[in-house]
Amino acid sequence: DGGITQSPKYLFRKEGQNVTLSCEQNLNHDAMYWYRQDPGQGLRLIYYSQIVNDFQKGDIAEGYSVSREKKESFPLTVTSAQKNPTAFYLCASSPSPYEQYFGPGTRLTVT
Amino acid sequence: DAKTTQPTSMDCAEGRAANLPCNHSTISGNEYVYWYRQIHSQGPQYIIHGLKNNETNEMASLIITEDRKSSTLILPHATLRDTAVYYCIVRAAFYGGSQGNLIFGKGTKLSVKP
Repeated sequence: DGGITQSPKYLFRKEGQNVTLSCEQNLNHDAMYWYRQDPGQGLRLIYYSQIVNDFQKGDIAEGYSVSREKKESFPLTVTSAQKNPTAFYLCASSPSPYEQYFGPGTRLTVT
Repeated sequence: DAKTTQPTSMDCAEGRAANLPCNHSTISGNEYVYWYRQIHSQGPQYIIHGLKNNETNEMASLIITEDRKSSTLILPHATLRDTAVYYCIVRAAFYGGSQGNLIFGKGTKLSVKP
C-alpha cells in the first residue's frame, strides 16, 4: 500500500533528552512537511523540504531539527531546547503545492 | 484565526448524502478551498480542493458559490466510517515561506447514524 508511515505511535521521554520521530513515504512525493497539533488548535508548520538535501524552517522551528538525505525519509529530532515538546506530531507529503497527505501521527509526551 | 465558519455538528443517516457547508467570506483571489477530515487521534485526511469551479473525486464533491464566499462538501452516500470532524480551510498554493500553516477552525463534527 502506498502511504506515509510514522513511528512510533506513542513516545515517552524524560525532559532533557533528544528524541527522533520517523517519517517515511512511498508515494514518490518531492515535498515533505512536519507539523505539530496541540489540543483544539490547528497545525503549525515546523519544517518542510521540497527536495532531497534541502529543507526550510517553518513558523515554529526553534528546538527542532530535520534531515532529508533520501526522498522517502524526513526524520524530525525534538531537542532538549524545545520548551513545550509534548504534542501530536504529524508528517505530510505532497505531490504539488496544493493538497497534503498526512501520516497517522506520533504523540510525544515529555515529563 | 480561522478564515472559515462551519456548523459545530451535523447528523446524517447512513446511505444518505451529507452536505457540509462552509462560509469563507474573506477569501482572497489566490486562495483555494480545501477540505480535510480528522478522526480522533489520527492524521488529517485530504478530501478535495477547488478554486472556483465545482470539483468531484472518488470521495466527494465540492460546490463553490459563484462569489466564492461559501462552499459545500457533499459526501454522496455517507457510511459509518465517514464519522469524523471535517475541516474547511482556505489557503493559497504553498511554494514555501509563511503560508505553510494549516489553520484549522473548529470544524464540523459529522455523525453518521445507522
